[in-house]
Amino acid sequence: QKEVEQNSGPLSVPEGAIASLNCTYSDRVSQSFFWYRQYSGKSPELIMSIYSNGDKEDGRFTAQLNKASQYVSLLIRDSQPSDSATYLCAVKQGTNAGKSTFGDGTTLTVKP
Amino acid sequence: ETGVTQSPTHLIKTRGQQVTLRCSSQSGHNTVSWYQQALGQGPQFIFQYYREEENGRGNFPPRFSGLQFPNYSSELNVNALELDDSALYLCASSPPGLAGGTTQYFGPGTRLTVL
Repeated sequence: QKEVEQNSGPLSVPEGAIASLNCTYSDRVSQSFFWYRQYSGKSPELIMSIYSNGDKEDGRFTAQLNKASQYVSLLIRDSQPSDSATYLCAVKQGTNAGKSTFGDGTTLTVKP
Repeated sequence: ETGVTQSPTHLIKTRGQQVTLRCSSQSGHNTVSWYQQALGQGPQFIFQYYREEENGRGNFPPRFSGLQFPNYSSELNVNALELDDSALYLCASSPPGLAGGTTQYFGPGTRLTVL
């Protein structure tokens, strides 16, 4: 079992819809959770971080964390074609983002 | 642009050779992490340098080694290259703060191909 697992994808949604990306992790002592966006041929870009159970909203993005279920998700509202990318979930035991364990990503395509 | 630069952009080597990849961290950042990203997979943590000392290492063999300089730039060295070392190598820098900070900024990566 991988330490961080994501929807195998690919995920395709129409423009304006809500895209839901899911991630589960195996290490119960994980404390920090991150979502990165990676466009094809580019490096990952941090879009959300979350540390406490519940929801965290930033613009069209909402991260949800449930430590009891070892589950973290990312919702993208009003999806745009520019959101088409691979989304990477990363977890970390402490607050040092630099030692994160990544999932293999879910590729999202938003169709106009 | 994150301000993190890496060189070279692309590199082709043959099995058994050695390679050095370079990274300049964002101004003011004192922590550098290196990741290997194989095609279709997420980045895998290789190691991290904080104030010129190795500060954690992932599941990579000793032929992967690194260095951080006083200006916080860093090098990743790989000896005895294997075909499976073909990947995108990413460097990420983090600002000072709680154990390296809560944010890391990735450079554009170096694409290494081993033939």
